[in-house]
Amino acid sequence: EDQVTQSPEALRLQEGESSSLNCSYTVSGLRGLFWYRQDPGKGPEFLFTLYSAGEEKEKERLKATLTKKESFLHITAPKPEDSATYLCAVQAANTGGFKTIFGAGTRLFVKA
Amino acid sequence: DAGVIQSPRHEVTEMGQEVTLRCKPISGHNSLFWYRQTMMRGLELLIYFNNNVPIDDSGMPEDRFSAKMPNASFSTLKIQPSEPRDSAVYFCASSLSDYGYTFGSGTRLTVV
Repeated sequence: EDQVTQSPEALRLQEGESSSLNCSYTVSGLRGLFWYRQDPGKGPEFLFTLYSAGEEKEKERLKATLTKKESFLHITAPKPEDSATYLCAVQAANTGGFKTIFGAGTRLFVKA
Repeated sequence: DAGVIQSPRHEVTEMGQEVTLRCKPISGHNSLFWYRQTMMRGLELLIYFNNNVPIDDSGMPEDRFSAKMPNASFSTLKIQPSEPRDSAVYFCASSLSDYGYTFGSGTRLTVV
């Protein structure tokens, strides 16, 4: 069964304190791995898509990397406005469509 | 583009009543998804459409749930009769092929 596990569940950082969020996945054939950001009361906002092991994507203070079993979202020198829930999702290649399975998310709190 | 538009933003209804949630996807997107989000279960895919055709409805919890997409610019998710355990935030999302999804702001449903 396809599965996505994110850790930690919550992460508290001081402003400027870099860290990483982890996303482990089990999928029969990875079509794509996605990272989203979700703010309270809003829908998830798309950040990155990664397709193959070794691929990296960057956006401002965020950098996503992918291996055959997991993905990391690295946050460099975070600011309070980076506080949000970060969701990882995978799309399996055998679904014949675009069925995407989400992890439970990591809640990030950045204190000034 | 105004993004994915969902209505209503909030819905409070009594158990046993019919509830209809509405979604207008982004123009030109060919896939539409309905998700449900709760604290306990996270984001769960209910159903998705490709070119207005339902592809996978295996996530629809019961026969009380139904979804339609009569044209490329409109979809509905109906619950009849509603139950308190249906209380959740329901998200609609759209995408073009296998790019990341664009989510709406969600409908917060409370069944009392």
